[in-house]
Amino acid sequence: DAKTTQPPSMDCAEGRAANLPCNHSTISGNEYVYWYRQIHSQGPQYIIHGLKNNETNEMASLIITEDRKSSTLILPHATLRDTAVYYCIVRVANNAGNNRKLIWGLGTSLAVNP
Amino acid sequence: DGGITQSPKYLFRKEGQNVTLSCEQNLNHDAMYWYRQDPGQGLRLIYYSQIVNDFQKGDIAEGYSVSREKKESFPLTVTSAQKNPTAFYLCASSKRAAQETQYFGPGTRLLVL
Repeated sequence: DAKTTQPPSMDCAEGRAANLPCNHSTISGNEYVYWYRQIHSQGPQYIIHGLKNNETNEMASLIITEDRKSSTLILPHATLRDTAVYYCIVRVANNAGNNRKLIWGLGTSLAVNP
Repeated sequence: DGGITQSPKYLFRKEGQNVTLSCEQNLNHDAMYWYRQDPGQGLRLIYYSQIVNDFQKGDIAEGYSVSREKKESFPLTVTSAQKNPTAFYLCASSKRAAQETQYFGPGTRLLVL
């Protein structure tokens, strides 16, 4: 199973871009990279996902390196409400290929400071 | 509003009692999931269901049971056989089992005394 490595914690100033790195050196060619975040005592919130190309939505941008061994989640203008634990996840297929399960690591605790 | 609801938000039980956690979704999703989260840890999969009347064990199914009699409902029972049931329980759903994006409910925090 492909696993991810993230720094345990990061700080960011309010209004600045937050760049959260993730290593997934064992990722397979058909596996997606997913990002979720979890604010304390709440359910995880989906942010974005991608396969090869960079992706952008209203919440964030996802930059995936050409070799797909790492990615960066970018919050362009971080606010205090972005303080959360951010999880980088690689989707894993089982042998049957019919199911997908998400393998969750410990994530990065992002603190956005005023 | 469309979404996933879990109730209650907090649940207290005495050791040795079974307890059932509710999860309902009105997103018309086929697949539903139950995860457990312990302090400072990532989520671990307990059970998942691809369609009505079908479900599969996840990584930590021992001591838990589920049912999927209706598409919108996937209750989780924490039995007395679960050695350490105190945790934060999260329910999720996705359009299909092969559809990657899972959407989560607000969670139920279970405390067994």
